Amino acid sequence: DTGVSQDPRHKITKRGQNVTFRCDPISEHNRLYWYRQTLGQGPEFLTYFQNEAQLEKSRLLSDRFSAERPKGSFSTLEIQRTEQGDSAMYLCASSSRAATGSPNEQFFGPGTRLTVL
Amino acid sequence: AQSVAQPEDQVNVAEGNPLTVKCTYSVSGNPYLFWYVQYPNRGLQFLLKYITGDNLVKGSYGFEAEFNKSQTSFHLKKPSALVSDSALYFCAVPRGRSQGNLIFGKGTKLSVKP
Repeated sequence: DTGVSQDPRHKITKRGQNVTFRCDPISEHNRLYWYRQTLGQGPEFLTYFQNEAQLEKSRLLSDRFSAERPKGSFSTLEIQRTEQGDSAMYLCASSSRAATGSPNEQFFGPGTRLTVL
Repeated sequence: AQSVAQPEDQVNVAEGNPLTVKCTYSVSGNPYLFWYVQYPNRGLQFLLKYITGDNLVKGSYGFEAEFNKSQTSFHLKKPSALVSDSALYFCAVPRGRSQGNLIFGKGTKLSVKP
């Protein structure tokens, strides 16, 4: 299977701890996205990369959140000093860049479910 | 500001009947519109998109969507529903001129009964 993969699939942590999630995109995709989804809501954009450059970051993303894509392949999302409100499903997606300049469809991974106790 | 709205939290359909999942949008300029489906315990899957051109867009699994500029709608349709179509459906639109920042609706749960 050559889809988007995320690790771990589930993470339980105590409030105040740091957590890091990994996303491996589809190999030929140069764009990578992070979203957060809570129960009963649609995904909420966090940030996206084109190759190793972080092109957009949501204003909703506090300073406790940081994402990297150092070699333009896999990406990590770190949450420092976790809070109970951080409990959510964290989704990663990837896409190629459309030749026309219009937004291309994004292919999503299975997500990492974070529970902060 | 760009936005999408899904007015129905849940849609119930009998197997074999046509289905419609509604989405309305508010965008400035020409809209790019997407539909995604989320099956239980699985990631979101792309169904179809409208960029420009024909108002009727065909997508995966027999779904299609009709773009209606005057009604600012992009409803998802299927002529004959299957039980396996039961899932959560999201429409989405890019934020502003972003090529990556998608704004998703709250989702509509489709339930197809045998």
